[in-house]
Amino acid sequence: QSVLTQPPSASGTPGQRVTISCFGANSNVGSNSVNWYQQLPGTTPKLLIYRNNQRPSGVPDRFSGSKSGTSASLAISGLQSGDEADYYCAAWDDRLNGRYVFGTGTKVTVL
Amino acid sequence: EVQLVESGGGLVRPGRSLRLSCAGSGFTFDDFAMHWVRQAPGKGLEWVSGISWDAYNVNYADSVKGRFIISRDNAKNSLYLEMNSLRVEDMALYYCAKGTFPAVSGTSLWFDPRGQGTLVTVSS
Repeated sequence: QSVLTQPPSASGTPGQRVTISCFGANSNVGSNSVNWYQQLPGTTPKLLIYRNNQRPSGVPDRFSGSKSGTSASLAISGLQSGDEADYYCAAWDDRLNGRYVFGTGTKVTVL
Repeated sequence: EVQLVESGGGLVRPGRSLRLSCAGSGFTFDDFAMHWVRQAPGKGLEWVSGISWDAYNVNYADSVKGRFIISRDNAKNSLYLEMNSLRVEDMALYYCAKGTFPAVSGTSLWFDPRGQGTLVTVSS
């Protein structure tokens, strides 16, 4: 059962900017770094953003992350058809000896 | 080139056991924590368990605590997941993932883009 809440879907036309929210609690988003993963259809998840707003090598700067309090967001600017995928936020949760928690996931559709 | 190869999945009846393995290569295996993540058909990602570089610290999701055991053999660059008392709800594609730190906590996860995961089917 996911403890990080995301909207189930988001959409935009090519070139538009899309933002995905991630709501958590003090024990996870509020006190630990947030990561974002992209999962293209039929593939393994790919780390897109780490430590709230850092991009691994090779990830375009069209993807950006931010965090404020117990919520975080992922923005995709200049939306492309290849961005159509599921996106998950994640963070360490300090409760109950600690665990890693994923968000509920957001399906991004390019119209 | 970093590579993670999962194996050991299959069809198993409820209540039985299964052992998954993950072979790591292309990196210094004992420098990093390792994790298992699963994805039920058509569902989202669920973190299952993590183990520190030295196996001293292990963490589990509530849904598997007391039934699953994570372990590693650094000499063999291998990660394992012993799954006991399997339930229908454990049916999923299981991925092995590399942590970014030696410790389990505060991590981000790296999945092998060529990885297939290993499918666990629990059915009578």
